[in-house]
Amino acid sequence: DIQMTQSPTSLSASVGDRVTITCRASQYIRNNLNWYQQKPGKAPSVLIYAASSLKSGVPLRFSGSGSGTDFTLTISSLQPEDFATYYCQQSYSFPRTFGQGTKVEIK
Amino acid sequence: QVQLVQSGAEVKKPGASVKVSCKTSGYGFTDYWLHWVRHAPGQGPEWMGWINPKNGDTNHAQKFRGRVTMTRDTPINTAYMELSGLGSDDTAVYYCARGVLPAHFDYWGQGTLVTVSS
Repeated sequence: DIQMTQSPTSLSASVGDRVTITCRASQYIRNNLNWYQQKPGKAPSVLIYAASSLKSGVPLRFSGSGSGTDFTLTISSLQPEDFATYYCQQSYSFPRTFGQGTKVEIK
Repeated sequence: QVQLVQSGAEVKKPGASVKVSCKTSGYGFTDYWLHWVRHAPGQGPEWMGWINPKNGDTNHAQKFRGRVTMTRDTPINTAYMELSGLGSDDTAVYYCARGVLPAHFDYWGQGTLVTVSS
């Protein structure tokens, strides 16, 4: 199975901050990497698919980059509604696997 | 609009089975695979498997082989996931999610909390 490792596991940031979350795959996954946001009591919601494609309706402050094994999710200017947990997920092979998550908290 | 509506919370004893339903609407049920993902407290989400509603083909993660059964009832646009031999480490929120291309999950059910406790 492909292991997905996110860092950091949590971070504190202020509204307006630029936030970067990284995700590393244990083997090559091309650009088959998705990012999800999850708020308490809710299902995950896709933000970015295929490493850098913004899902329709997702604000432009979210962006993704990377290929191969190393990927990044960036929030250019953190908004109050962005405080949540973020997960990466590989779709290169089965079983699909997720990272352990990065919790973004208010500083 | 696309909706995936799951059955309600369950409390089960160790060794029992649970069957979770996922009723879909707003799109062609047989046009997209449905995946099952569970999320235990303090862990990342865990993919369990998929079902192709068109022909009933399934594929499961190795750790669930022999314990999980995924089925569908096409006339009522509903998929099911049954997990047997429950243990305390099966306590989690179980989700169904629609798979689209490029491969990602675009719509999710609201989740079903399964609690395994003696």
